[in-house]
This record gives sequence, structure tokens and C-alpha cells, in this order.
Amino acid sequence: DVKVTQSSRYLVKRTGEKVFLECVQDMDHENMFWYRQDPGLGLRLIYFSYDVKMKEKGDIPEGYSVSREKKERFSLILESASTNQTSMYLCASRINNEQFFGPGTRLTVL
Amino acid sequence: DQQVKQNSPSLSVQEGRISILNCDYTNSMFDYFLWYKKYPAEGPTFLISISSIKDKNEDGRFTVFLNKSAKHLSLHIVPSQPGDSAVYFCAASSNTGFQKLVFGTGTRLLVSP
Repeated sequence: DVKVTQSSRYLVKRTGEKVFLECVQDMDHENMFWYRQDPGLGLRLIYFSYDVKMKEKGDIPEGYSVSREKKERFSLILESASTNQTSMYLCASRINNEQFFGPGTRLTVL
Repeated sequence: DQQVKQNSPSLSVQEGRISILNCDYTNSMFDYFLWYKKYPAEGPTFLISISSIKDKNEDGRFTVFLNKSAKHLSLHIVPSQPGDSAVYFCAASSNTGFQKLVFGTGTRLLVSP
């Protein structure tokens, strides 16, 4: 079974803090993704990566950056957290047309 | 611009009856469609998919129908069970470029005993 893990299930940070969300997949997938899920808005793509050190902006990249130094790990960085970044963050990896998601990180920014 | 739309935010069904979840899309380049199921505090899990060369795909209690001319797909669950209560996301991709998935806003299904 594909396993995608995320470093934290719940996280509480203060406005202005730098936040790191880590994601690891164990299936040697080349493609990895970060989404956020908000009520009424579905899943929106923040960034994706198609290979090590390669990254592309998704639909809502503002306020975020990413890092992919190793194939299995894809990190999402909030340089200066703001309250409007309070959300559920979902990481996924992909093989063929199917994406496999991690359990999500519920981030609250106070 | 919402390219994939799920116009019903919620649906309530009795156990044993049929659940029908609908999804509309606007991009005619989409040629692969998926349904994901999400429980609270968990990541979405893949449920069923369909390619645009087909109009129906079935997997146990789950069937997806695709109407390309109407740019519409639907997920049928028969019979519905209380464990099916979850949020269902429709997603679509095209065979061009990176093949990103575009997700709908989700429909919350509640199946009552």
C-alpha cells in the first residue's frame, strides 16, 4: 500500500511565525502535491513537484513556498503565517492518474 | 473560475436507498475523472475513476456515469450504507501538460439508518 505521511496532524502557530509542513511518501513517486481544503472551496492546489528540486506553482501559491531536496520528501513553508492560512493542508503523491493523500495537517494561525 | 462544480453541498439518504452525487465540468479538454471520498480528519481516498472513452464504470456498490455531451458525471451508490457518510469530491484531469487534478467543492453525504 502507498503510504503518505505528514509530520503533524494538528498545529497551532502565531501570526508571523515561519511554519514547516513535512510530507513523506514511501513509493518512489516522482510527482508530489500540496493542497489546502477549505469549506465550500474544495481542494485547491498550492504547489506541486514533478521531480527532485523541481517545483511549480499551483492555483494559490501566494504566501507559500516549497522544497523538494529528496524524492520522498516534499515540504510546504509558510514564510510568515497569517490568519487566512488557517486551513487543512493535504499532501499527495501520484502514480499514473491516481493521487494518494496523506492524513492532513489542521493548521490554526492565531 | 470553477472548472469542476458540485452544486449540491449536501445530500441525505436512508440506508439501503440509492445515493446519486453529481458533478459538472466546463473544460472540454478533461478526459479522465475520479471520485474521492473523505472522512473527517483523514485524507481523501480514491474511490473510482472513468476515462472519457467510456460512459460507465462499475466497482461493487459504486458506479460512475459520464455524459460527455452534457459535461456531466454522476456517482451512484447502491445500496447506501451508514459507513458511506463522508464528503465526496469529484476531480478531473486532461491528457495534456502535467495532468493536474482539478477538484470540485465536494458533497457531504449523510446516510441514516
